[in-house]
Amino acid sequence: DAGVIQSPRHEVTEMGQEVTLRCKPISGHNSLFWYRQTMMRGLELLIYFNNNVPIDDSGMPEDRFSAKMPNASFSTLKIQPSEPRDSAVYFCASTWTGAGETQYFGPGTRLLVL
Amino acid sequence: GQQVMQIPQYQHVQEGEDFTTYCNSSTTLSNIQWYKQRPGGHPVFLIQLVKSGEVKKQKRLTFQFGEAKKNSSLHITATQTTDVGTYFCAGGYNNNDMRFGAGTRLTVKP
Repeated sequence: DAGVIQSPRHEVTEMGQEVTLRCKPISGHNSLFWYRQTMMRGLELLIYFNNNVPIDDSGMPEDRFSAKMPNASFSTLKIQPSEPRDSAVYFCASTWTGAGETQYFGPGTRLLVL
Repeated sequence: GQQVMQIPQYQHVQEGEDFTTYCNSSTTLSNIQWYKQRPGGHPVFLIQLVKSGEVKKQKRLTFQFGEAKKNSSLHITATQTTDVGTYFCAGGYNNNDMRFGAGTRLTVKP
């Protein structure tokens, strides 16, 4: 199994631009999580999906952030417009059953907004 | 609300010294998981504890789950430079929610 796949691995963009992060969960997993990690705030849960349905999006910072999961094998996290404070590593993780199970993390996307 | 506190935030040790990180939940947990993140890497699952008072070992790592299922610890005996990284606990709750601690960043001086 290839594990959780994220793209791009690195993204550098200018303030105001739209950023789209992509995630392919492990085949057979039915829960998907988006996290943001910074030195100041640590690992923050942004949103999680179960069976492609958003269950908890209370961690999404503001309306500039949106996430979709159109099918079981693909999810996107979009930031529009991006701001320098959005610079962070964004991780996607997947698991089966639900949030209480072992989570398998992708390699992350390192985002830098100038 | 449900949250998991983890201390210390940082720990610097001399190689060969022991290391311990602690997690505490405000409410009873259904399980607790531990993850390790190497510098520049992503969190990787280490172990899960489910039972009250449970103790599990992985070589030099010892994981404990408190009797009340509200706290947990990870102890590393005789640290090595390969132990460097950030150790996270993640508490699972009965409502199927899971919360990560802030992590403890371990550095080891050779």
